[in-house]
Amino acid sequence: DAKTTQPPSMDCAEGRAANLPCNHSTISGNEYVYWYRQIHSQGPQYIIHGLKNNETNEMASLIITEDRKSSTLILPHATLRDTAVYYCIVRALTGGFKTIFGAGTRLFVKA
Amino acid sequence: SQTIHQWPATLVQPVGSPLSLECTVEGTSNPNLYWYRQAAGRGLQLLFYSVGIGQISSEVPQNLSASRPQDRQFILSSKKLLLSDSGFYLCAWSAPDSYEQYFGPGTRLTVT
Repeated sequence: DAKTTQPPSMDCAEGRAANLPCNHSTISGNEYVYWYRQIHSQGPQYIIHGLKNNETNEMASLIITEDRKSSTLILPHATLRDTAVYYCIVRALTGGFKTIFGAGTRLFVKA
Repeated sequence: SQTIHQWPATLVQPVGSPLSLECTVEGTSNPNLYWYRQAAGRGLQLLFYSVGIGQISSEVPQNLSASRPQDRQFILSSKKLLLSDSGFYLCAWSAPDSYEQYFGPGTRLTVT
């Protein structure tokens, strides 16, 4: 599975959009981009995933660049409850079920 | 809807004592099941995963073991706990052909 690079931490003002970047320059054509988040003392929560088209659900939007070497998770109106560690994961749908969680980005939403 | 249960929520055990953590999933059949551990301030480490009853894949050799006696039950065990076994243990499930994982509330284990 391709390696991902995320900033260790970010700040965002409450009510503003939070844009969390992820670099995955070695991504292969069959690898998807997944995003999870982990609120303190809780288990990780699946947010969204995509292959090459932009995706949106009730939690967030995922923007994948045309060359697929990077992506951005967008929380359109961040709230204090969005403070969490956000994990960007790239993996193929073959090769087993192992999913590697890296260090992620610690997002602080401030009032 | 699907629900995943883990218990206990917290556990304090002495070194050398046995361990049994249980995870059950409701509302789905033949799920893939996973055990992760997260040390304080660290990332998630995959310990075991299972694609079916009695089928266990181990990712990290250590004094822990896992079993899947029923389709929706996953158990993490140890015969003798070490101090280094302390951490936040998380169970997760995914649908048979999906990689979207859904996590339980976790068990915080402190080995003293």
